[in-house]
Amino acid sequence: RKEVEQDPGPFNVPEGATVAFNCTYSNSASQSFFWYRQDCRKEPKLLMSVYSSGNEDGRFTAQLNRASQYISLLIRDSKLSDSATYLCVVDSGNTPLVFGKGTRLSVIA
Amino acid sequence: DTAVSQTPKYLVTQMGNDKSIKCEQNLGHDTMYWYKQDSKKFLKIMFSYNNKELIINETVPNRFSPKSPDKAHLNLHINSLELGDSAVYFCASSPTRQVPYGYTFGSGTRLTVV
Repeated sequence: RKEVEQDPGPFNVPEGATVAFNCTYSNSASQSFFWYRQDCRKEPKLLMSVYSSGNEDGRFTAQLNRASQYISLLIRDSKLSDSATYLCVVDSGNTPLVFGKGTRLSVIA
Repeated sequence: DTAVSQTPKYLVTQMGNDKSIKCEQNLGHDTMYWYKQDSKKFLKIMFSYNNKELIINETVPNRFSPKSPDKAHLNLHINSLELGDSAVYFCASSPTRQVPYGYTFGSGTRLTVV
């Protein structure tokens, strides 16, 4: 089983739609979780950390389910500028961070 | 001011050559990393340094030799380049080696070996 697994997509959604991505991780000892965003031919950038209680940042909501070892990202009211690859990132229990392969999102006008 | 800067941005070279990529961070972070992103977009850790000391070497061929002259710099030297080395190499840094903090990435070096 891979350390971090994501559906590669692509997810093609119209503007204004709500879209959700899931990610599963294999290391039950993992403590820190993140979502990164990577635009085409650019570096990954931290979108948000994921906390046990769940957290929200504007249109973005992240959830963590430790029992099932999965993390989710919900994007509400999608914008064209949200088109990117979203990377699920988990600590390996012993640095450094492990990245999923990413889920590609295309928001269409 | 760029937080993590890498040079060069693009590198095209022939098989068998030796090349170096430089990375500098001005964030005052203690820990720096090299990641490789292959054609399938998978980001994989290569090396991790903490305060100039190597702490992680993820079974990278010994043709790859990182060097950290001080904690703000982490360079990557590659000997005898092979076609399979073609990828985007990202440098990153974090405040400490503990992971509650995300990493800040450089803009990447796109290496093409021909």
